[in-house]
Amino acid sequence: GENVEQHPSTLSVQEGDSAVIKCTYSDSASNYFPWYKQELGKGPQLIIDIRSNVGEKKDQRIAVTLNKTAKHFSLHITETQPEDSAVYFCAATLRDSNYQLIWGAGTKLIIKP
Amino acid sequence: DGGITQSPKYLFRKEGQNVTLSCEQNLNHDAMYWYRQDPGQGLRLIYYSQIVNDFQKGDIAEGYSVSREKKESFPLTVTSAQKNPTAFYLCAVGGETQYFGPGTRLLVL
Repeated sequence: GENVEQHPSTLSVQEGDSAVIKCTYSDSASNYFPWYKQELGKGPQLIIDIRSNVGEKKDQRIAVTLNKTAKHFSLHITETQPEDSAVYFCAATLRDSNYQLIWGAGTKLIIKP
Repeated sequence: DGGITQSPKYLFRKEGQNVTLSCEQNLNHDAMYWYRQDPGQGLRLIYYSQIVNDFQKGDIAEGYSVSREKKESFPLTVTSAQKNPTAFYLCAVGGETQYFGPGTRLLVL
């Protein structure tokens, strides 16, 4: 079955620098890749997503890139701010899978002042 | 006011007791999901329902039960058979894109 690996598990960056989180998936049939941000004690919130027919998508300071050949996708956050501190999850879903998401293990992003 | 509501925010369970977590939505989505999250861990799927009166087991269904009598509601019961129920429980709705409620934290007395 599908498996999603996420790295690193913890990432500490200086405020203002960029942060990159990477995920690798195993099933080439996966076609939808969302990223979620979870603040302490809250439910995850969708921050950006990408479909398999697109290589890159941007929304202000965040972007996601997809490499279908290598089967990996990455979240890029530029000009990091203290409010970016959270746990970030990647996920993948298979075509015709009844929309079941396969989740990465999460990355704790720490923004140092 | 649209969204997903989960209640209660905190729930305490005594040994041998069944407890029920509520999830209600007014987003008119057919599909609803329950996830369990342990401290510092990712999300694990307990049950999901794609339509009223139908639901399927996820990866960790043992010790849990659900019902889907109305489109808006998908309650989760943590039974006494679940020996380690302490966790953060998240309800989600949606199809390909899932939207999450605020969660219920279950603690054992």
